[in-house]
Amino acid sequence: KAGVTQTPRYLIKTRGQQVTLSCSPISGHRSVSWYQQTPGQGLQFLFEYFSETQRNKGNFPGRFSGRQFSNSRSEMNVSTLELGDSALYLCASGIAASLTGELFFGEGSRLTVL
Amino acid sequence: SQQGEEDPQALSIQEGENATMNCSYKTSINNLQWYRQNSGRGLVHLILIRSNEREKHSGRLRVTLDTSKKSSSLLITASRAADTASYFCATDRDTDKLIFGTGTRLQVFP
Repeated sequence: KAGVTQTPRYLIKTRGQQVTLSCSPISGHRSVSWYQQTPGQGLQFLFEYFSETQRNKGNFPGRFSGRQFSNSRSEMNVSTLELGDSALYLCASGIAASLTGELFFGEGSRLTVL
Repeated sequence: SQQGEEDPQALSIQEGENATMNCSYKTSINNLQWYRQNSGRGLVHLILIRSNEREKHSGRLRVTLDTSKKSSSLLITASRAADTASYFCATDRDTDKLIFGTGTRLQVFP
């Protein structure tokens, strides 16, 4: 069974640009969560989708957005990039409707903003 | 915001020794999970303990939970160099999302 796939793995952008990250969950998983990981702030919850609906959102500005498609694949977008957006963005999928069961993480997308 | 705080922040031990890391949290929970992350990689689920459980084992891992003290500990017995990683606890505050702690960086020297 394939794991959670995130693309791209690495990317470099400049301030002001926008970026779209993609996540394909494990087959059969309908919940997809996104986390931002930085050395200073640790793992911060961004948002969670279940059956194409955003069920929960973390405390991030509106520049951070996401969506989920009917096949459960998810994308997150960051517009007007800032230096502080440099981070490892992790996607996780879950099998249960509950948001607090075991999560299966992808390898992450490492974003560098110059 | 972090719900959990791991202690210590960093731990260095020799192969064969036991490693103990602790997690404290602030609000009531339904369950607590431990995850492992190798440098720059994704997180891997290790174990989940429910609020009505006090201890759980999985291979060389032993997790305890004390809800009265709002704390949990993860014990790795007979550690190996391959156990070198960061370890995070995660709690389900408000039952609507998992909140991760700050992590403990474990270094196991051969």
